[in-house]
Amino acid sequence: AQSVTQPDIHITVSEGASLELRCNYSYGATPYLFWYVQSPGQGLQLLLKYFSGDTLVQGIKGFEAEFKRSQSSFNLRKPSVHWSDAAEYFCAVGAQAAGNKLTFGGGTRVLVKP
Amino acid sequence: GAVVSQHPSRVICKSGTSVKIECRSLDFQATTMFWYRQFPKQSLMLMATSNEGSKATYEQGVEKDKFLINHASLTLSTLTVTSAHPEDSSFYICSARFLAGGTSSYNEQFFGPGTRLTVL
Repeated sequence: AQSVTQPDIHITVSEGASLELRCNYSYGATPYLFWYVQSPGQGLQLLLKYFSGDTLVQGIKGFEAEFKRSQSSFNLRKPSVHWSDAAEYFCAVGAQAAGNKLTFGGGTRVLVKP
Repeated sequence: GAVVSQHPSRVICKSGTSVKIECRSLDFQATTMFWYRQFPKQSLMLMATSNEGSKATYEQGVEKDKFLINHASLTLSTLTVTSAHPEDSSFYICSARFLAGGTSSYNEQFFGPGTRLTVL
């Protein structure tokens, strides 16, 4: 069965500083990887996804993520955060063999200091 | 494209009543929809997989008689929380699986905006 770990529960970053959110996954086959963002009381918005090909993936809102198979990681980065980036971020792995079920990590809450 | 809606967005009910939540795929057909539950400050946990025209598949530990799922059409799945109690209060999110076709081997899920259920 697949699993996802987001080691950091909270991260506080100053506005304008860079941000990196860690994600490690466990899955025996080719992983389909996603990053979602959730604002308080809202649904999920897809930031980016990795299915295959180039391991550096560009997403919306200036985010990017890099798939590293050797490290079983899919870390999310943004060079310069904005106050509007304060939210909860979820990494997820999709399992084609399990009917495309998604397994989510525990989430990382990002706080942005002015 | 690939928009999923949920109704209602918020519902408050008395203990013992039943509540129905609708999940609709607005611009595509979804043979499979998923229902998730999210407790405050926690991650999403899959409750069940809803398949059009057949019985839902529930995850371990989810009471199927408590959480009734009906997927009567290719664009609508409903979750009914029966005899709701305060511990059922939660944020319920649905997703619909989009059949990409072509060379894509993974059918991505698109999420609804969620329904906040509060049981008094």
